[in-house]
Amino acid sequence: DAKTTQPTSMDCAEGRAANLPCNHSTISGNEYVYWYRQIHSQGPQYIIHGLKNNETNEMASLIITEDRKSSTLILPHATLRDTAVYYCIVSPTGTASKLTFGTGTRLQVTL
Amino acid sequence: EAEVAQSPRYKITEKSQAVAFWCDPISGHATLYWYRQILGQGPELLVQFQDESVVDDSQLPKDRFSAERLKGVDSTLKIQPAELGDSAMYLCASSSGTGYNSPLHFGNGTRLTVT
Repeated sequence: DAKTTQPTSMDCAEGRAANLPCNHSTISGNEYVYWYRQIHSQGPQYIIHGLKNNETNEMASLIITEDRKSSTLILPHATLRDTAVYYCIVSPTGTASKLTFGTGTRLQVTL
Repeated sequence: EAEVAQSPRYKITEKSQAVAFWCDPISGHATLYWYRQILGQGPELLVQFQDESVVDDSQLPKDRFSAERLKGVDSTLKIQPAELGDSAMYLCASSSGTGYNSPLHFGNGTRLTVT
């Protein structure tokens, strides 16, 4: 499976957009990009996933570069409740629900 | 929204004792996973079930850990004997399938402390 690289931590002011980058330069053609987040003392929560097109849902937007070597998760209007660890994961389509987590990005949303 | 239920929420046990965790996945979800999360790290897969069958237990320390899902619904993870290094959060997750459009739904875990 392709590995991902994420910044250890980021800060964002409440109400502003939070842009979380992820590098996956060794991604294969059949691997999807998944984002999960984990709020303190809770289990991880699915956010969004994509293959090569940009995706948007009620939680976030996912922007994948044309060469698919990196992606950005965008939380358009961050709130204090978005403070969490965000995990970027790539996984082949055949085993897409068997996820290998890294250490993620700790996002701190502040007033 | 349906949730994955886990119990107990917290467990403290002495080393060399046996301990068990229970998970009830979302109704209808055929795939069930047990993950272990050490403090400061991401979750690590221990075992994956498809219905009642184990499809991947390559990361399960089989000398002391066991997992079962007898009727293909709820599941139990057991550790016997527990060691100090087993202190971690044990997370259960379920999904409706294994394809790319089957995101995992996690429970809130059991935090185990071994003393």
